Amino acid sequence: GAGVSQTPSNKVTEKGKYVELRCDPISGHTALYWYRQSLGQGPEFLIYFQGTGAADDSGLPNDRFFAVRPEGSVSTLKIQRTERGDSAVYLCASRLTSGITDTQYFGPGTRLTVL
Amino acid sequence: KQEVTQIPAALSVPEGENLVLNCSFTDSAIYNLQWFRQDPGKGLTSLLLIQSSQREQTSGRLNASLDKSSGRSTLYIAASQPGDSATYLCAVWDNYGQNFVFGPGTRLSVLP
Repeated sequence: GAGVSQTPSNKVTEKGKYVELRCDPISGHTALYWYRQSLGQGPEFLIYFQGTGAADDSGLPNDRFFAVRPEGSVSTLKIQRTERGDSAVYLCASRLTSGITDTQYFGPGTRLTVL
Repeated sequence: KQEVTQIPAALSVPEGENLVLNCSFTDSAIYNLQWFRQDPGKGLTSLLLIQSSQREQTSGRLNASLDKSSGRSTLYIAASQPGDSATYLCAVWDNYGQNFVFGPGTRLSVLP
């Protein structure tokens, strides 16, 4: 049980549909992050959970995006009424504590394509 | 708002060369800076983490330096190998947020 896992690895959907992306963090890690990475760009922060609560959701681009972490482990990123501009790789990362000296461990990402 | 840039955007070198990747950030009030490696279709792998009080970190053939006052960091790769081919991302953790701010990356190709 090693690293952060994300499912699905690839998701193709049509414009206007609803999608859910799942992240399984490293067991015991209390902090969980979602980032979005567009082609040729670095990851951009979306939302950060400490435990079950969203400590910072300032990176969510609009109200079509929502994320939950109901039991403090697995997290789901939900996107409503998808648009072509939502196409990107969505990365999840987890960290053991909220301490700033600890590194984040990244999952392989979910590649979302909106047609 | 913190902004991170990386130069060059892409770099191609023959095997065995030493090389330097550059990272700049606009706000020097950072907690730490981290260099990551990303292979195609994969997540990010942490290479080196430099705390704001440190000047450099070394791991094997990699050496990262930090000049906080000028907002710069460099990643030095010695004796490059084809297996080093990947995208290298620089990220800073600043004093205002709870997350990394990433640069766009440098895409490195090491030719055999």
